Amino acid sequence: KNQVEQSPQSLIILEGKNCTLQCNYTVSPFSNLRWYKQDTGRGPVSLTIMTFSENTKSNGRYTATLDADTKQSSLHITASQLSDSASYICVVTIPDNTDKLIFGTGTRLQVFP
Amino acid sequence: ETGVTQTPRHLVMGMTNKKSLKCEQHLGHNAMYWYKQSAKKPLELMFVYNFKEQTENNSVPSRFSPECPNSSHLFLHLHTLQPEDSALYLCASSRGPRDTGELFFGEGSRLTVL
Repeated sequence: KNQVEQSPQSLIILEGKNCTLQCNYTVSPFSNLRWYKQDTGRGPVSLTIMTFSENTKSNGRYTATLDADTKQSSLHITASQLSDSASYICVVTIPDNTDKLIFGTGTRLQVFP
Repeated sequence: ETGVTQTPRHLVMGMTNKKSLKCEQHLGHNAMYWYKQSAKKPLELMFVYNFKEQTENNSVPSRFSPECPNSSHLFLHLHTLQPEDSALYLCASSRGPRDTGELFFGEGSRLTVL
């Protein structure tokens, strides 16, 4: 079964600290892996998109890594800010006739001052 | 501002009401989507439209009726809903349904069914 699992479910850190969110997937093959940020009560916003041949992609203080051998991805947030408080969703694309997206349930990050 | 606008942002309705959600995209995209997001569950794809033609219906109950009059507008008509239909309904768009690039989401419509 194609699944995307994220850990931890929730995380609390202090402002200025770094953190790493994990995404494990069983989708194979896959065409790309995405990370989205979703603020409370808002729609998801794309942070990074990586194809299966890429192993890292950065967007400001956000750096995503991908290990296609172990089917793991991580999202590293550097020098966290209060505005980083949100849910982070990992999404994997199946290269079938519809390019179906498999969504994880997300990691809820809270950054406190 | 993602270029995808949803209205209303919040909606409370009874089980016998009829209401509609509206989505408009200003990105020149050809594909539009409805997703349902319930608490602690992954986003669920409901419908996909490409060039205003429905290309996917993921076994969604008939009490949800989509309408796509053109590539820029998408509606979700709601009638005789159940309390378990309460969720955040997200509209999204992309250049095409098989575009493995960016998917742009609206802010969502928070639906509560009493």
